[in-house]
Amino acid sequence: DAKTTQPTSMDCAEGRAANLPCNHSTISGNEYVYWYRQIHSQGPQYIIHGLKNNETNEMASLIITEDRKSSTLILPHATLRDTAVYYCIKSSHNAGNMLTFGGGTRLMVKP
Amino acid sequence: GAGVSQTPSNKVTEKGKYVELRCDPISGHTALYWYRQSLGQGPEFLIYFQGTGAADDSGLPNDRFFAVRPEGSVSTLKIQRTERGDSAVYLCASSFPNDNEQFFGPGTRLTVL
Repeated sequence: DAKTTQPTSMDCAEGRAANLPCNHSTISGNEYVYWYRQIHSQGPQYIIHGLKNNETNEMASLIITEDRKSSTLILPHATLRDTAVYYCIKSSHNAGNMLTFGGGTRLMVKP
Repeated sequence: GAGVSQTPSNKVTEKGKYVELRCDPISGHTALYWYRQSLGQGPEFLIYFQGTGAADDSGLPNDRFFAVRPEGSVSTLKIQRTERGDSAVYLCASSFPNDNEQFFGPGTRLTVL
């Protein structure tokens, strides 16, 4: 089962929106798109997930294309504390389905 | 409430020794996962517990690795005859039974000399 594809690294200016793309062309009908991030020396942290519709929470927005083959995580006003590795993962919604992490995108937010 | 905790935070051992790594999940989370993360890579799945039983241990690399969760709460990952290649950060995560939002602990950094 192929993992998702993400750019290795991205930079973003503090206060600007960070748009992190993800390709998941092999996603199946029952798989959600999950986003996690990992700040240096910490465990991964859940950000958001979605199936078909766009989603928004207090941390970020998730835009999923109509064909579900790609998505974009949006951090509307990036801060220095958002510097982290961001992982896009496809997984079904039930517990017991392990998260298959790829290499992620290393986001560097710069002042 | 408290998040997932892992002890010790760091463990240095010698090649060939036995180590135990402990995970305390969030109260009420019946699902528990172990992952391993090598430097510069994403976490890799090792084993998943639902309650006391290991429902999926397909990620364990070999029979030197074993994990238990005898009372359906705390879990211990056990590594026998450690090798230098076992050096990594071992992460534990937990979740509610019908949810795949996993809450991760800070990890245990294992160094095998």
